[in-house]
Amino acid sequence: DAGVIQSPRHEVTEMGQEVTLRCKPISGHNSLFWYRQTMMRGLELLIYFNNNVPIDDSGMPEDRFSAKMPNASFSTLKIQPSEPRDSAVYFCASSLGVAGNRYEQYFGPGTRLTVT
Amino acid sequence: DAKTTQPPSMDCAEGRAANLPCNHSTISGNEYVYWYRQIHSQGPQYIIHGLKNNETNEMASLIITEDRKSSTLILPHATLRDTAVYYCIVRVHNQGGKLIFGQGTELSVKP
Repeated sequence: DAGVIQSPRHEVTEMGQEVTLRCKPISGHNSLFWYRQTMMRGLELLIYFNNNVPIDDSGMPEDRFSAKMPNASFSTLKIQPSEPRDSAVYFCASSLGVAGNRYEQYFGPGTRLTVT
Repeated sequence: DAKTTQPPSMDCAEGRAANLPCNHSTISGNEYVYWYRQIHSQGPQYIIHGLKNNETNEMASLIITEDRKSSTLILPHATLRDTAVYYCIVRVHNQGGKLIFGQGTELSVKP
């Protein structure tokens, strides 16, 4: 199993540009999560999906952030326009679901975003 | 979700047991205790979870006090590769997938 796959691993962009982060969850997993990690705020949940439907987006910082999950094997997190304060490591995670016995979330390697 | 309190940092000698404490005095009856760790520059990794009984797997053991107000994660024979930030999280089972990470304990395993 390849695990959760994220791309790109590193992204450097200028303020005002659109940034798209991509995630492929583990095959068979029904839930997908986007987190952001900074030194100041630690690890924060931004949004999560269950069966491709957004369940809780209360962690999305503002309208500049949007996330989609068009199918069970792909999700995107888009920032438009990007700002320097968006610089962080963005993690995607997946799990077998949110009901039942298996709740572990498996995290990808992250995308390190730098906005200059 | 109940709040957790962990020491910010700990040291452990290689080959010795690492005992990481966590206080969760406001935990509710249906809230599980989860442990994750994050090795530098990697994504968090699931370790173990439990409700009331002590749990053990290939990575660690979880000891939960009888009143459930605190727990200890035990790495029986710590290695240098166990150097990481360890997060204790309490969450309600069967209510969504949220994990709320605190600041965790930075464990340094020294030769």
